[in-house]
Amino acid sequence: QVQLQESGPGLVKPSQTLSLTCTVSGGSISSGGYYWSWIRQHPGKGLEWIGYIYYSGSTYYNPSLKSRVTISVDTSKNQFSLKLSSVTAADTAVYYCARGASGSGSYYVDYWGQGTLVTVSS
Amino acid sequence: SYVLTQPPSVSVAPGQTARITCGGNNIGSKSVHWYQQKPGQAPVLVVYDDSDRPSGIPERFSGSNSGNTATLTISRVEAGDEADYYCQVWDSSSDPVVFGGGTKLTVL
Repeated sequence: QVQLQESGPGLVKPSQTLSLTCTVSGGSISSGGYYWSWIRQHPGKGLEWIGYIYYSGSTYYNPSLKSRVTISVDTSKNQFSLKLSSVTAADTAVYYCARGASGSGSYYVDYWGQGTLVTVSS
Repeated sequence: SYVLTQPPSVSVAPGQTARITCGGNNIGSKSVHWYQQKPGQAPVLVVYDDSDRPSGIPERFSGSNSGNTATLTISRVEAGDEADYYCQVWDSSSDPVVFGGGTKLTVL
């Protein structure tokens, strides 16, 4: 059973960089065919895809966040990370790490972390 | 970018059938996935590739997709099915991963 766990600061100051790490257990992040993803949810709102890193290392980001987002992977620790720069209060959200799977040429999330609330405030 | 439209809310009595729609331009040509999210919890995949169920998801949950509308159908609704439901597609032409705005299912 794959499990994902987010970690990182719950409070970030405006203009700083939000940094989160997702630790994967129960499966190797290096195994093929999965998209290691970040998704966020603003308080009381819907889901917003941030981006993913494929097991090969290629990345794909939401165009609306692309200029501020970096997703990287550390296979030695079985972790992947999110960095979001120049944050504002609008970046306050619950951040989920997730595993994206591919079916019928599509993408869906089959495993989610529990989510971590990040608040942007001075 | 590709837009998915869901009704904000659907209400149904216990034991009845709930149908939650997800509208999108020619969505029938895409694979649609559905997630259930209960308050304070992470989403859970309940249907993928239009109509397949992950292991552990009851047969009461089913999906269909044609034309401009995909539908998640929940038969014999139970109180425990009360949750927010989100549809999602992969759209390689723009934002590759798109979520609908979500539908709150209320069990009366």
